[in-house]
Amino acid sequence: TQLLEQSPQFLSIQEGENLTVYCNSSSVFSSLQWYRQEPGEGPVLLVTVVTGGEVKKLKRLTFQFGDARKDSSLHITAAQPGDTGLYLCAGAWGNYQLIWGAGTKLIIKP
Amino acid sequence: SAVISQKPSRDICQRGTSLTIQCQVDSQVTMMFWYRQQPGQSLTLIATANQGSEATYESGFVIDKFPISRPNLTFSTLTVSNMSPEDSSIYLCSVQTSRDEQFFGPGTRLTVL
Repeated sequence: TQLLEQSPQFLSIQEGENLTVYCNSSSVFSSLQWYRQEPGEGPVLLVTVVTGGEVKKLKRLTFQFGDARKDSSLHITAAQPGDTGLYLCAGAWGNYQLIWGAGTKLIIKP
Repeated sequence: SAVISQKPSRDICQRGTSLTIQCQVDSQVTMMFWYRQQPGQSLTLIATANQGSEATYESGFVIDKFPISRPNLTFSTLTVSNMSPEDSSIYLCSVQTSRDEQFFGPGTRLTVL
């Protein structure tokens, strides 16, 4: 059974602080995606990482795919209240389904 | 990308009744997915719906409880049958691109009394 462990599951920090969310697995993924979801909406794709060691930046968000393509991290610099939401990682491993992490509920306090 | 709409956005239903959720995509897609999600938690895949064939259900989900239709490449429905309070959840449909990226509808928030 494919598993994708995401941590932390809950994080509440002050505006301006930095944070990192992790997704780890013992399985190799062909790609890994990060989604963000706000209340009342469906998840929205932020980024897809495909190559081992790949780093992608989206404004203050930095995404990294592990060299072995088994893990990934999302780092937010100088978090803002608008970053509040549920962050989900999802791994693709060759069939049509995604393996989902447990999610990280992020609250940024002004 | 794809634009996906769902109806209804929310509903409150009585125990024992059924609700059909509609999912409309603005482009033709091969696979559509139905998920269930408790607020603030991750997604649980209910089934995968391919046009022209029966849906494939995940462990713990059965066709009698969650019948799915997929009459064409832009539309699908999920019915939650004989509902109980345990069915209260958010139901989401999604489509997947060739890059394995998924695009989601806004969800249907179901409350069963």
